[in-house]
Amino acid sequence: QVQLVESGGGLVKPGGSLRLSCAASGLIFSDSYMTWIRQPPGKGLEWISYISSTSTYTVYADSVKGRFTISRDNARNSVFLQMNSLRAEDTAVYYCATSAGYETSGFFDSWGQGTLVSVSS
Amino acid sequence: DIQMTQSPSAVSASIGDRVTITCRASQGINNWLAWYQQKPGKAPKLLIFGASTLQTGVPSRFSGSGSGTEFTLTISSLQPEDFATYYCQQGTSFPHTFGQGTKLEIK
Repeated sequence: QVQLVESGGGLVKPGGSLRLSCAASGLIFSDSYMTWIRQPPGKGLEWISYISSTSTYTVYADSVKGRFTISRDNARNSVFLQMNSLRAEDTAVYYCATSAGYETSGFFDSWGQGTLVSVSS
Repeated sequence: DIQMTQSPSAVSASIGDRVTITCRASQGINNWLAWYQQKPGKAPKLLIFGASTLQTGVPSRFSGSGSGTEFTLTISSLQPEDFATYYCQQGTSFPHTFGQGTKLEIK
């Protein structure tokens, strides 16, 4: 059974930094494409970043480009999101997600429980 | 970026009703369309991928159709556990954008 567990969320001041982690189990992590998706309180889902299985390819939404960095450690079955220059509009629940049963990055059959990031002074 | 637009934004329906939600893409997405169900405080759950393929374990009252730029999610006979928010998502080109969501409420 696939399990994704996010951690690292919390309260941070505008301009601050935070590093989110997502630990994966129950899948061949080194073959998995990983994605971060966020959801502001009471609002919809926003796709924000992707990393290929070997870290060769990364993609970012315009809203986070230049401020957020996705990375992974296949030896630790983990994916990370380094978030710098945080803004109030980055306040959201952050999910890591993957397609564990299919070789694709195009949809997500496995999600973590989410970790809340709050940006406020 | 490809824009995904869902309609309606909210719908009220009764147990046993048939409900259809529409998702339009701003350009063709080659059927790389997924539907998710989300309940309050929970992560989204994949219902359908490839526009019409039912994910394992999802009840057959859910179905998806469409091609090109217009897609639909249909629930044939609403059950109490179906009241939730539904999102479409395209996976053909980055960023893999979501629709804004459709909240399905009990009438």
